[in-house]
Amino acid sequence: DGGITQSPKYLFRKEGQNVTLSCEQNLNHDAMYWYRQDPGQGLRLIYYSQIVNDFQKGDIAEGYSVSREKKESFPLTVTSAQKNPTAFYLCASSSGQAKPGNQPQHFGDGTRLSIL
Amino acid sequence: GEDVEQSLFLSVREGDSSVINCTYTDSSSTYLYWYKQEPGAGLQLLTYIFSNMDMKQDQRLTVLLNKKDKHLSLRIADTQTGDSAIYFCAERRDFGNEKLTFGTGTRLTIIP
Repeated sequence: DGGITQSPKYLFRKEGQNVTLSCEQNLNHDAMYWYRQDPGQGLRLIYYSQIVNDFQKGDIAEGYSVSREKKESFPLTVTSAQKNPTAFYLCASSSGQAKPGNQPQHFGDGTRLSIL
Repeated sequence: GEDVEQSLFLSVREGDSSVINCTYTDSSSTYLYWYKQEPGAGLQLLTYIFSNMDMKQDQRLTVLLNKKDKHLSLRIADTQTGDSAIYFCAERRDFGNEKLTFGTGTRLTIIP
């Protein structure tokens, strides 16, 4: 079955530590996205990538970094510069063809990051 | 205007209809979506409506779009306990880009 796999499901970070969240998709989608979810604030876009080797900042990119070396993978690093990293992180993908038809985003099951 | 707004909470008795509302500000929206999120899980696409439509029905779900007032609603008929979740509306603003702007989410609670 095609889908999006996020790992790990739960992650703990110590002060001053960088951690990397994995996102892999086998939907053959060009576009991938990272969101942060906090209670009562909906989903906020961190970074997105419309094609391999290219990515753009979203609304809250500070303290985060990404790479897109392969079409299937879009890892997110939460750096020590992100002072409030505790949140639920969601990865999504879409076809990226930007056709006029409906091309919805499909989501993984999320990674919950907490501070030790 | 960047915001997509929703009420945070809604409680409905089992068997009644639920109506979840959403307002948006960008008149250039192309598609509008409803997603469902169960506890500890990702978002599941429920339904969508194209901006030139007024209504779309899909089994127990009815989506109404009022473009003049920039108001979107999701009606769930015969609400069941399995409908308990957070519901997000989202708008796609650009035919050339599949980025979405999400609302804050409405937590639907079913009263037995």
